[in-house]
Amino acid sequence: KAGVTQTPRYLIKTRGQQVTLSCSPISGHRSVSWYQQTPGQGLQFLFEYFSETQRNKGNFPGRFSGRQFSNSRSEMNVSTLELGDSALYLCASSRTTSGPYEQYFGPGTRLTVT
Amino acid sequence: EDQVTQSPEALRLQEGESSSLNCSYTVSGLRGLFWYRQDPGKGPEFLFTLYSAGEEKEKERLKATLTKKESFLHITAPKPEDSATYLCAVRSTGANSKLTFGKGITLSVRP
Repeated sequence: KAGVTQTPRYLIKTRGQQVTLSCSPISGHRSVSWYQQTPGQGLQFLFEYFSETQRNKGNFPGRFSGRQFSNSRSEMNVSTLELGDSALYLCASSRTTSGPYEQYFGPGTRLTVT
Repeated sequence: EDQVTQSPEALRLQEGESSSLNCSYTVSGLRGLFWYRQDPGKGPEFLFTLYSAGEEKEKERLKATLTKKESFLHITAPKPEDSATYLCAVRSTGANSKLTFGKGITLSVRP
């Protein structure tokens, strides 16, 4: 069974630009969550989607947005990039939001903002 | 708000030297506690889920235990390939709850 895939794996962007990251969950998984990982803050929750609906959102500015498609694939978008947005962005999938609750992570997208 | 604290931040062991990693948590109600392993440049790899106090799970040299306030990840006779960052996370019983992660424990096992 294929795991969670994320594209692209690496990105370099300039301040002020926008970026879109993509995530394909494990087959049969309908819930997708996004996290930002930095050395100082660790893993921080961005948002969770289930059946194309955002179920939960973390404490990030509105520049961070996401969506989920009918095939459960998800994208997240960051507009007006700032230097502080440089991080590893991780996507995780799980079967549902009502249990079992294990989330399986993709390899991440390493975003560098210059 | 849910909180997870992991200690120590870093741990260096000699191969074969058993030890334990601690995860203390605060939640209004626990839906599950999760352990992950993360290698540099990779996404976290799922290890265990624990649901209630007294529960234990084992996998090879790893054993996870849970009380009402903390969880331990016991590593027996570690090998260099066990070197990684170990992450603990909790999910509360609240509606639309999310996974809250600790900052991780970086384990280094010397041959």
